[in-house]
Amino acid sequence: ETGVTQSPTHLIKTRGQQVTLRCSSQSGHNTVSWYQQALGQGPQFIFQYYREEENGRGNFPPRFSGLQFPNYSSELNVNALELDDSALYLCASSQRDRNSPLHFGNGTRLTVT
Amino acid sequence: DAKTTQPNSMESNEEEPVHLPCNHSTISGTDYIHWYRQLPSQGPEYVIHGLTSNVNNRMASLAIAEDRKSSTLILHRATLRDAAVYYCIGYNFNKFYFGSGTKLNVKP
Repeated sequence: ETGVTQSPTHLIKTRGQQVTLRCSSQSGHNTVSWYQQALGQGPQFIFQYYREEENGRGNFPPRFSGLQFPNYSSELNVNALELDDSALYLCASSQRDRNSPLHFGNGTRLTVT
Repeated sequence: DAKTTQPNSMESNEEEPVHLPCNHSTISGTDYIHWYRQLPSQGPEYVIHGLTSNVNNRMASLAIAEDRKSSTLILHRATLRDAAVYYCIGYNFNKFYFGSGTKLNVKP
């Protein structure tokens, strides 16, 4: 069973640029959710994708967007990067079932300078 | 929102039980309560979850209050490998709410 993998592991961008982060779901999972974790804080829910559509969103502006592909992998896109976007970005896959646990990747560390 | 509140830190001795509390007074009747733990430089790891009844698995036990406004994660015999940040989350079908977590320190 292949777990959740994220790429890249680390990334440095300049303010104003755009970034794309990638996530491969665990085998058998059809739902992906993304989180932003600032240093010393708990993960903050960004959004969730199921059947290639966003079906839940946290308090993040529209410049945070995503995609889910037919193979259930996913991308997180962030436009017009700000310094405060520097964080660990986590993705988790699961079954679309309230009784299904989340399986996390180890994240992408994004630094915005 | 299914917001959760946890103590910032707790300390335990190795081989002793640990009770990690979580308040989730705004949780809805259909929200599952999940617990995860996170080691430095890693993503969160699933520990246990439940809805209304107490739950046990090989890692831990979860005791859920009858009114569902709080729950307690129980590690029966803490080991050094259990030192981590523990998060309880309100899991509503479309959104997930992490608290700030409890950093557990286990002393040998």
